[in-house]
Order: sequence, then structure tokens, then C-alpha cells
Amino acid sequence: ETGVTQSPTHLIKTRGQQVTLRCSSQSGHNTVSWYQQALGQGPQFIFQYYREEENGRGNFPPRFSGLQFPNYSSELNVNALELDDSALYLCASSSTIGRGSTDTQYFGPGTRLTVL
Amino acid sequence: GESVGLHLPTLSVQEGDNSIINCAYSNSASDYFIWYKQESGKGPQFIIDIRSNMDKRQGQRVTVLLNKTVKHLSLQIAATQPGDSAVYFCADGTGYALNFGKGTSLLVTP
Repeated sequence: ETGVTQSPTHLIKTRGQQVTLRCSSQSGHNTVSWYQQALGQGPQFIFQYYREEENGRGNFPPRFSGLQFPNYSSELNVNALELDDSALYLCASSSTIGRGSTDTQYFGPGTRLTVL
Repeated sequence: GESVGLHLPTLSVQEGDNSIINCAYSNSASDYFIWYKQESGKGPQFIIDIRSNMDKRQGQRVTVLLNKTVKHLSLQIAATQPGDSAVYFCADGTGYALNFGKGTSLLVTP
């Protein structure tokens, strides 16, 4: 176990709705990254939060947004859900010394989102 | 964009044999490489990582080899056990993001 927790475990939404996923980072970690994993694929980087600010973003539209809180936990929000948003959403925590550094990322169990 | 890929999508080995999972990357600027194991219904589990200033690193029953000349990464698992059956992902890092390949499914048979 990594100590990274995510909630909820599973979620079913309909197209057009909005969803919020939550992640608690491992103790001592100050950075949270979010990934989307479609079935049979590797995880795809969405964005990373460090010191409550977005530290980098992958090729995802603005309807994917996030927050990081002072306790380093994080939320991923997705608006106007589309069928293709159905995936496993993973968060990973790491301990970053400074912006631009790559550190070992430890993943949580994920949230399985199904969009109908 | 550049991406990390895997040579073999499926690998079947007998219990007790050594396993080798290969990975090719294309981004010459990558300075960090990592292997994860993912079991069904779970998040990726960290196995081992290596930075670009090294060409080999060993862990418990695992070794990662990095060949920057040909942009190749491999994971060696010694004395493979049934519990090693999973999907293995390599990823490269440049700054903050990890770029994952599609994964290799390792099946360990008794």
C-alpha cells in the first residue's frame, strides 16, 4: 500500500454531468499528479499540482480542472462529461524539491468513472 | 508527440525462470525512467526507477537496464513467481509528467 487514497471507488454519471474526484496524498508528499487510464491503455497525464498551483498539464481540454489544498490533498473536476471520459482516474503523490524535477510518483487505487 | 512504447504486448514465462520486459522510448531529453506493475483493478505499483546518469540499477529480484544510445529500457525479474503476473508499464519523465507506454502483460505459468 502506498498511503495514497482516492474516493469514490466507483462512479456512474450521465453525459453532460459534472464530477469531482478526490485524492489524499501520502504523508510527507507535497505534489499530486492526475492521470486518466482508458481500458487496455497506459495512464495519460492530465495535470500536476505543487504548492496549490498547477505545475504542468497534459493534452486535456479545460473542462478538466483541479485543485490542491493546504494539506496537499487534491480534487479533479470534470465538466460536461462525455462518453469517452469513461476511464480509471489515478492520482499519484510525490515529494518535489522544486518545479521541473521528476520524482518517484506513488499511485492510489484509482476511481473508476463510467459515463452513460 | 513523442511516446514510450513496448516491444512485446504479452510475455508468458514458467515459474522460476527469469523474465525480461523491454521498452523503447523516443524522447532523447528524458532523464528519468520508471517501471510499474499493475494488477487487475488496482493502481500502478512502483517497482524500480533509474535516472539518465546511470545504466543499471538493482532492486529485490529486479534489475533495470538503460541504454541511452539506442533509447532502450528493460526490466529483468529473477526467479519469476506467480505473484509477478500483472501488466508492466515503463514510463519516462521529463520534468513533472510521466509518459507511459501501453504495457506488457506478464503471465507466469506453474
